[in-house]
Amino acid sequence: DGGITQSPKYLFRKEGQNVTLSCEQNLNHDAMYWYRQDPGQGLRLIYYSQIVNDFQKGDIAEGYSVSREKKESFPLTVTSAQKNPTAFYLCASSILWGGNQPQHFGDGTRLSIL
Amino acid sequence: EDQVTQSPEALRLQEGESSSLNCSYTVSGLRGLFWYRQDPGKGPEFLFTLYSAGEEKEKERLKATLTKKESFLHITAPKPEDSATYLCAVQARAGGTSYGKLTFGQGTILTVHP
Repeated sequence: DGGITQSPKYLFRKEGQNVTLSCEQNLNHDAMYWYRQDPGQGLRLIYYSQIVNDFQKGDIAEGYSVSREKKESFPLTVTSAQKNPTAFYLCASSILWGGNQPQHFGDGTRLSIL
Repeated sequence: EDQVTQSPEALRLQEGESSSLNCSYTVSGLRGLFWYRQDPGKGPEFLFTLYSAGEEKEKERLKATLTKKESFLHITAPKPEDSATYLCAVQARAGGTSYGKLTFGQGTILTVHP
């Protein structure tokens, strides 16, 4: 079955530590996205990638970094500069950037501070 | 700036009690409006895309409609398994500052009691 796999499901970060969230898709989609979800708020865009080897900042990119070296993979690093990292992180993909096809989501990683 | 507001924040229904969820939006030229369902601890699951005012889409007990200012998700004779958070998102046309991105509402938490 095609889909988006996020790992791990739960992650704990210590002070001053960088952590990396994995996102893999086998849908052959060009575009990939990272969102942050906080209780009572809509999903907010962290970074997006229109195509392999390209990525742009979203609305809340400070304290985060990404890479897109392979079409199927779009890992997100939460750096120590992100002072409030506790949230539910969602990865998504779509066939094309800017197309009107829907984005499809993985099942998320919940990040907490130790 | 594109904005999406969903109401009510939470809705409690008895099984079989039909109702509607609202999604009000402002966007610089609508390319598409998307409805998603999200279960606790999971990623959003795509339900519908609506492209122009007057359009309607149906799936089982759900029916989505669209006007120039808002969308409704009508739930007919709901069952307990319809309990979830329902998210609405809009995408702007090319040329807008938010082109290619989705702007999400904060969601409506639906609980259906047996």
